[in-house]
Amino acid sequence: EIVLTQSPGTLSLSPGERATLSCRASQSVSSSYLAWYQQKPGQAPRLLIYGASSRATGIPDRFSGSGSGTDFTLTISRLEPEDFAVYYCQQYGSSRTFGQGTKLEIK
Amino acid sequence: QVQLQESGPGLVKPSGTLSLTCAVSGGSISSSNWWSWVRQPPGKGLEWIGEIYHSGSTNYNPSLKSRVTISVDKSKNQFSLKLSSVTAADTAVYYCARGATYDDAFDIWGQGTMVTVSS
Repeated sequence: EIVLTQSPGTLSLSPGERATLSCRASQSVSSSYLAWYQQKPGQAPRLLIYGASSRATGIPDRFSGSGSGTDFTLTISRLEPEDFAVYYCQQYGSSRTFGQGTKLEIK
Repeated sequence: QVQLQESGPGLVKPSGTLSLTCAVSGGSISSSNWWSWVRQPPGKGLEWIGEIYHSGSTNYNPSLKSRVTISVDKSKNQFSLKLSSVTAADTAVYYCARGATYDDAFDIWGQGTMVTVSS
């Protein structure tokens, strides 16, 4: 099973700042089948990024994904108030597993 | 647009079987998509349970495989989850989700349903 480790566990930033979230896999993720989701309290997760770097439909361009192999990054270029949430990475190249999440909180 | 809606009992007794259904509306369950179940214990992260294709092919999380059955009912345009021998550790919000046609990432999610295991 591929284990995904996200860091940091909590990230405290201010609106307008840049956020960088990391997701490291215990083995290579095939074909960059790596996705990022955003989850707000009481809501279902929302797909942000698929294929490591492709934005899902309707996702603002301040969200970007990068990486390959075992190291992946989600970057939010300029934080908006609505971006403060929990973010999960997921690999779907070998079965499906999620990272433990990064909470992005307002500083 | 495709929407998913989970339904089922909110309370299940320990050692019993948890049964949930996900109704697909606005589209066909026989489309080229995998259909998944994902759960989230209170205050914790997401765990993939398993998936099914309209042909009936399934894949399960190895850690749950011995207790999980996912089935599809094309006539009702829905798919279902059964989890047997439940304990308090199975208390969670259960989501159904669709694997995207182009990629298999989960592009559509149900709103989720809370299931509590308690006597």
